[in-house]
Amino acid sequence: EAGVAQSPRYKIIEKRQSVAFWCNPISGHATLYWYQQILGQGPKLLIQFQNNGVVDDSQLPKDRFSAERLKGVDSTLKIQPAKLEDSAVYLCASSSVTGGGEQYFGPGTRLTVT
Amino acid sequence: AQSVTQLDSQVPVFEEAPVELRCNYSSSVSVYLFWYVQYPNQGLQLLLKYLSGSTLVKSINGFEAEFNKSQTSFHLRKPSVHISDTAEYFCATVSGGYNKLIFGAGTRLAVHP
Repeated sequence: EAGVAQSPRYKIIEKRQSVAFWCNPISGHATLYWYQQILGQGPKLLIQFQNNGVVDDSQLPKDRFSAERLKGVDSTLKIQPAKLEDSAVYLCASSSVTGGGEQYFGPGTRLTVT
Repeated sequence: AQSVTQLDSQVPVFEEAPVELRCNYSSSVSVYLFWYVQYPNQGLQLLLKYLSGSTLVKSINGFEAEFNKSQTSFHLRKPSVHISDTAEYFCATVSGGYNKLIFGAGTRLAVHP
């Protein structure tokens, strides 16, 4: 089966600009996650979707970050306006079950904000 | 809230030597534990997991980890490493009711010839 797809793989923007990332999860996976991985740190969950609905966005900086998952499949994560500290790898993952199920990760998008 | 501590940020080792990557978790009633591996410029891949049952879990490429409840640990071991094992390794646990993963800071394993 095809894995989790993400695009773009790399993005360089200036601060105060906006950027969007796209994720296509594994077919049939109801749960989709966006993680932020800052250099030298472990991934941190930004937002989790169960089908179309948000189940956890407690660590999403809502003044600048937004995410949506239309029709319970693809998802986009947007940053507007970007700050220097947003430089990180943004990972998308999906899973088919809750409560201990394995998460499958995409290759990530490396964002550099200058 | 659950948390995970990886005690070593970097572990250098020679090829064919044994290695142990240490992971401690905060205690909770139900514990699900994972080791993920991240090769350069790639996403995370599940290496092995403990959900219940046998406390010793093994991966297909020779790694194993033992769930130790009394020491709240889930250390990753391999008796003989290869150059290809060079990667970042993340220990993780589940927090809350929606399969939210909490990751440690990672351990960079560098295998030298």
